[in-house]
Amino acid sequence: AQKVTQAQTEISVVEKEDVTLDCVYETRDTTYYLFWYKQPPSGELVFLIRRNSFDEQNEISGRYSWNFQKSTSSFNFTITASQVVDSAVYFCALSDIAAGNKLTFGGGTRVLVKP
Amino acid sequence: GAVVSQHPSWVICKSGTSVKIECRSLDFQATTMFWYRQFPKQSLMLMATSNEGSKATYEQGVEKDKFLINHASLTLSTLTVTSAHPEDSSFYICSARDATFGNTIYFGEGSWLTVV
Repeated sequence: AQKVTQAQTEISVVEKEDVTLDCVYETRDTTYYLFWYKQPPSGELVFLIRRNSFDEQNEISGRYSWNFQKSTSSFNFTITASQVVDSAVYFCALSDIAAGNKLTFGGGTRVLVKP
Repeated sequence: GAVVSQHPSWVICKSGTSVKIECRSLDFQATTMFWYRQFPKQSLMLMATSNEGSKATYEQGVEKDKFLINHASLTLSTLTVTSAHPEDSSFYICSARDATFGNTIYFGEGSWLTVV
């Protein structure tokens, strides 16, 4: 069975600080996708990134960066120079390709950025 | 980017009535859509996988007769909560798989259901 663990339930930072969200996953699949989504207070889920299991290159998109370490089954997410608008719940998810790509979500990490 | 639209955004219904929530993929065809439920401050719980032209696959513990799912076209899936009760009040969110874009999963805006 697949499992995604986000050990941090809530992180509080002051604006401009960096914040790293941890994500550890378990799967028996050799091919899978990993995702990060942002859920602001309004509730909708915003797609941030999709990473193929064969692509271990780290990625940077503006203030966001992701570190994929297959050896430790981790896919961590860093927000650099955080802003108040980054306040949201962030979910890491793992796709089950054999089951039509249904997602297994971590418990989510609530990020609160204070001005 | 791909857009998934969900309607209504919020709905209040009386106990015992049924309510339908629609999920549409606006700029791609989605043979597979997913329905999730989210309780306050909790993660998303997959309810069922909706496949176009066939019966939905329900997760363990989800009542298929209560949560009716129909995926009649490649761009539309509907979730009907039948004989709703206050405990069905929740945030329901759908997602659709874009097979032409690496099977990326896009989510709708979600629907807040309140049963009074």
